[in-house]
Amino acid sequence: AQRVTQPEKLLSVFKGAPVELKCNYSYSGSPELFWYVQYSRQRLQLLLRHISRESIKGFTADLNKGETSFHLKKPFAQEEDSAMYYCALSGWDQGAQKLVFGQGTRLTINP
Amino acid sequence: DTGVSQNPRHKITKRGQNVTFRCDPISEHNRLYWYRQTLGQGPEFLTYFQNEAQLEKSRLLSDRFSAERPKGSFSTLEIQRTEQGDSAMYLCASSPPVMTSNEKLFFGSGTQLSVL
Repeated sequence: AQRVTQPEKLLSVFKGAPVELKCNYSYSGSPELFWYVQYSRQRLQLLLRHISRESIKGFTADLNKGETSFHLKKPFAQEEDSAMYYCALSGWDQGAQKLVFGQGTRLTINP
Repeated sequence: DTGVSQNPRHKITKRGQNVTFRCDPISEHNRLYWYRQTLGQGPEFLTYFQNEAQLEKSRLLSDRFSAERPKGSFSTLEIQRTEQGDSAMYLCASSPPVMTSNEKLFFGSGTQLSVL
C-alpha cells in the first residue's frame, strides 16, 4: 500500500534558522516524490519534485530510497516560508499525477 | 484569473440533500482530477478524467458520488443524499497532456461543503 507520513503536524523555527520538514513513504515500486505548499489564502501548488533535482525558494529535498525518506530542507528560514507543506507520492506505473498526500506540516517562521 | 476555477466556493446543505460542484480546468489541460480534503488531513484522490473519459475512481467514491466531464472541458461532482461525513473541502486539479519534467497539478481553490 502507498503511504506518506509527515510526523510533525506543527513546526516552528526562528527566522534565519535551518528548517527540515520530515517525510517518510511506503511504496513497493519506483516512487515519484513531491512537495506541495499552500500559503495563507492561496491554492495548493507544487514546490518541488525529486526528479527535477532543483532548489526552489532555497528549499531542497533528496530522495533516500534506503530510508524511504524525502525530507525538505532549507538552510536559512525566511518569514515568507510560513505555510502548510504536504509531501506527496505517486507511482510511475500510475501516471505521475495520482498523488497520495501526507497529513501536512504547518511551518511557522518566527521573526 | 486563468487558473482552475471551482464553484461554488462554499456550500451548506442539510443531510439528505443532493449537491453539485463545478470545476473549470485550465483550457489546454486535458486531465482533470477531484480530491477531497478533510480537516487536518492531506488531500485524498477521488477520481481522474482524461478528456471526457473517467479513467480511475477511488474506493472513497461511494455510489452516492458521481463525476462527469461530458465534453472534456468542465467537470461536475454530484453527491446524492449527503451525509455529515461528506463535509470536506473538494479540490479540483488539472494538468497538461504532455508528460514533461515540468508537468504538475494545478489546483483550484476548492469548494468547502458543510453538511448539517
